[in-house]
Amino acid sequence: GNSVTQMEGPVTLSEEAFLTINCTYTATGYPSLFWYVQYPGEGLQLLLKATKADDKGSNKGFEATYRKETTSFHLEKGSVQVSDSAVYFCALSDLRFFSGGYNKLIFGAGTRLAVHP
Amino acid sequence: DGGITQSPKYLFRKEGQNVTLSCEQNLNHDAMYWYRQDPGQGLRLIYYSQIVNDFQKGDIAEGYSVSREKKESFPLTVTSAQKNPTAFYLCASSILAGGINPDTQYFGPGTRLTVL
Repeated sequence: GNSVTQMEGPVTLSEEAFLTINCTYTATGYPSLFWYVQYPGEGLQLLLKATKADDKGSNKGFEATYRKETTSFHLEKGSVQVSDSAVYFCALSDLRFFSGGYNKLIFGAGTRLAVHP
Repeated sequence: DGGITQSPKYLFRKEGQNVTLSCEQNLNHDAMYWYRQDPGQGLRLIYYSQIVNDFQKGDIAEGYSVSREKKESFPLTVTSAQKNPTAFYLCASSILAGGINPDTQYFGPGTRLTVL
């Protein structure tokens, strides 16, 4: 079945360091891929998405490229800030459900990022 | 501002009691979803609904029930049959296929349920 695998955390970085959070997926067809962010005690916010191979999603300095050949969607940021400390979830949309109007998202386990001054 | 609201933010329940979590959206979305989040795990789908008076079981529906009497509202009841209900519960919504960004779900702030 469809699945998403993220690198285990926590990831601990100093401010202004480069960030990479790895995400790989298993899916049939061509799912859309997402990164969501969850700040402490809050719900999930959509960070970025990509809907087809070679698409690059970007937002707030974060980027991720849909790589079908390596089934990956790694999240990157060139210079992290303390305010980026959160849990990051990679997800894909399960197209087996999509045609019926439902959109089932398959989530990875999440990667906690801690950025220190 | 359009969005999704969940209430209460924190909820405590005694064992053997049913409890209902509220989810309201004013985004005019047709589809709504309930997820459960446990520490160190991703989100797992409990129930989802496409239209009023219709809903389907997700991956972990046992011990939960829902209703969809209004487009804006999708309450979740955690029953006494749910063996391990302590968790963070998230509600989400999306438009249906044929609209703009139909595969994007928007989430509420969550309700943390603790069973005493």
